[in-house]
Amino acid sequence: EADIYQTPRYLVIGTGKKITLECSQTMGHDKMYWYQQDPGMELHLIHYSYGVNSTEKGDLSSESTVSRIRTEHFPLTLESARPSHTSQYLCASTGQNYGYTFGSGTRLTVV
Amino acid sequence: EDQVTQSPEALRLQEGESSSLNCSYTVSGLRGLFWYRQDPGKGPEFLFTLYSAGEEKEKERLKATLTKKESFLHITAPKPEDSATYLCAVLDWGDYKLSFGAGTTVTVRA
Repeated sequence: EADIYQTPRYLVIGTGKKITLECSQTMGHDKMYWYQQDPGMELHLIHYSYGVNSTEKGDLSSESTVSRIRTEHFPLTLESARPSHTSQYLCASTGQNYGYTFGSGTRLTVV
Repeated sequence: EDQVTQSPEALRLQEGESSSLNCSYTVSGLRGLFWYRQDPGKGPEFLFTLYSAGEEKEKERLKATLTKKESFLHITAPKPEDSATYLCAVLDWGDYKLSFGAGTTVTVRA
């Protein structure tokens, strides 16, 4: 049973649209992360948060933004989607044992 | 900067043919080494955490070991359902972000 939820699971959207990918966890974890992963490729960290009102950019430059208003919620927003944003987006969280729990991911296709 | 290198990139096994995956790492201070399994189109699934050299952990046909410079994931008598990409990651003291390797894709043929 998943304790971290991502919606939608799949999304096909037109160029220029604004989208928000949702990520929620029920474990009370303070640390949350967003990764981008192309098929068969490495995970790239794009954003992370160590608590409410704390957000940082990751190693991979991204045109997306994130917010952390509540502990359990860490949404990712693309103001204007482009075909180059087509990818899988994975959300993760961690607590005291430092191991990440990942969501099932959102596969985004921008046409 | 933390570095994680996994080898081989891909591994094709016959059912029952045991093998090992390697994860070499460089960190200033190891807080933990993590193994994950990832199936196509899904998020990584946690397998093991190892904290110190000499530590070993087992789960079904998988066994993870750790030295000061590398970790091995041994797959004993694999089955087709063990086919997946196996990811290694390290966590440095003073940080809360895992550094991931590129993964080893294992294919087990019946």
